[in-house]
Amino acid sequence: DAGVIQSPRHEVTEMGQEVTLRCKPISGHDYLFWYRQTMMRGLELLIYFNNNVPIDDSGMPEDRFSAKMPNASFSTLKIQPSEPRDSAVYFCASSQQGLRYIYGYTFGSGTRLTVV
Amino acid sequence: DQQVKQNSPSLSVQEGRISILNCDYTNSMFDYFLWYKKYPAEGPTFLISISSIKDKNEDGRFTVFLNKSAKHLSLHIVPSQPGDSAVYFCAASETGNQFYFGTGTSLTVIP
Repeated sequence: DAGVIQSPRHEVTEMGQEVTLRCKPISGHDYLFWYRQTMMRGLELLIYFNNNVPIDDSGMPEDRFSAKMPNASFSTLKIQPSEPRDSAVYFCASSQQGLRYIYGYTFGSGTRLTVV
Repeated sequence: DQQVKQNSPSLSVQEGRISILNCDYTNSMFDYFLWYKKYPAEGPTFLISISSIKDKNEDGRFTVFLNKSAKHLSLHIVPSQPGDSAVYFCAASETGNQFYFGTGTSLTVIP
């Protein structure tokens, strides 16, 4: 398996623009997570899905952030409009029920977002 | 508020010596704990786990210790190698819920 695939790897955008981050989880994994990494807060959970259904989005910072999972093999995280304080590395991760407490989550390589 | 804390942002250790990374948590209901390792420009990768029914788990050079009464866990790396230089995250979860991650400790192993 190719692992969790995220695109793009880097994104530079101007303040106010819409940004869409993409994720393809590992086939067979039924959980998908979106995290944001910052120096101050470390890895911060934004939202997670189970079987394509959003379970907990309490970590989504504002209404400017939205996430979708239209099918088991694809998810998007959208920021509209983007602001400089959104600059961070965004990670997608997936896991399989029953194994996540033993082996944790499998993370993608992340998308480094810079909003200027 | 951070439910999982790693109070040392960085640590430097000589090659061959022991590295000890520490992690504290606040929620006494947490019963699963993980350590992840992260290299620059890569995603975190799973390293080792422990459940609350144990107080120690060992995998090669890596050992995780759990002190439930102190709400503290630590990762020991013996002997440390230059390739161990990375950021280490601890994470904790209550069964059925999400994992909460710490802010990470950057380990540098000096050759």
